[in-house]
Amino acid sequence: KNEVEQSPQNLTAQEGEFITINCSYSVGISALHWLQQHPGGGIVSLFMLSSGKKKHGRLIATINIQEKHSSLHITASHPRDSAVYICAAQSSGDKLTFGTGTRLAVRP
Amino acid sequence: EPEVTQTPSHQVTQMGQEVILRCVPISNHLYFYWYRQILGQKVEFLVSFYNNEISEKSEIFDDQFSVERPDGSNFTLKIRSTKLEDSAMYFCASRALSYEQYFGPGTRLTVT
Repeated sequence: KNEVEQSPQNLTAQEGEFITINCSYSVGISALHWLQQHPGGGIVSLFMLSSGKKKHGRLIATINIQEKHSSLHITASHPRDSAVYICAAQSSGDKLTFGTGTRLAVRP
Repeated sequence: EPEVTQTPSHQVTQMGQEVILRCVPISNHLYFYWYRQILGQKVEFLVSFYNNEISEKSEIFDDQFSVERPDGSNFTLKIRSTKLEDSAMYFCASRALSYEQYFGPGTRLTVT
């Protein structure tokens, strides 16, 4: 059974700050997903990665397969980045195991 | 941009009643999923569906749950006899051949 841990659980930042959210998982995976959940509840997929690093705008996701660890970075954070960020590990097959999420609040 | 849609956005039902949650996946997607999120808790996998059959299901997905793709466009989740603990947000997702899943906006189910 894959256990997915995220840290921190809550994060408050000032606008413009560089933010890092961490995710670790316990067993080997085929892919790691980063998701964003808005206050209304909707979920948006940000990244899916199985190795290395991906960048989209101000968001960067990295993964270290050997250490079973992934990070999500937000550069030049903005209040509109305020949301819950969730990592989810995909093991063999299609099942996603979700972390508990990191609640991010970016203050102007 | 194509998106996954779900109806209704909010469903209130009485304990013991049957509910059907509906999803319209992205049209060329082949793999379909249901997840649920109880308020304040993490998202949990319920079931995956491919080629008109269940490919994987969690221990939550017991005999009270069923899924169907009745007409090639809709993907439904039925709960036969709802319990209070079924109250949650239910998300549908779909994907094409890549592993990236696209999520619907969710249906909030309230069982009273």
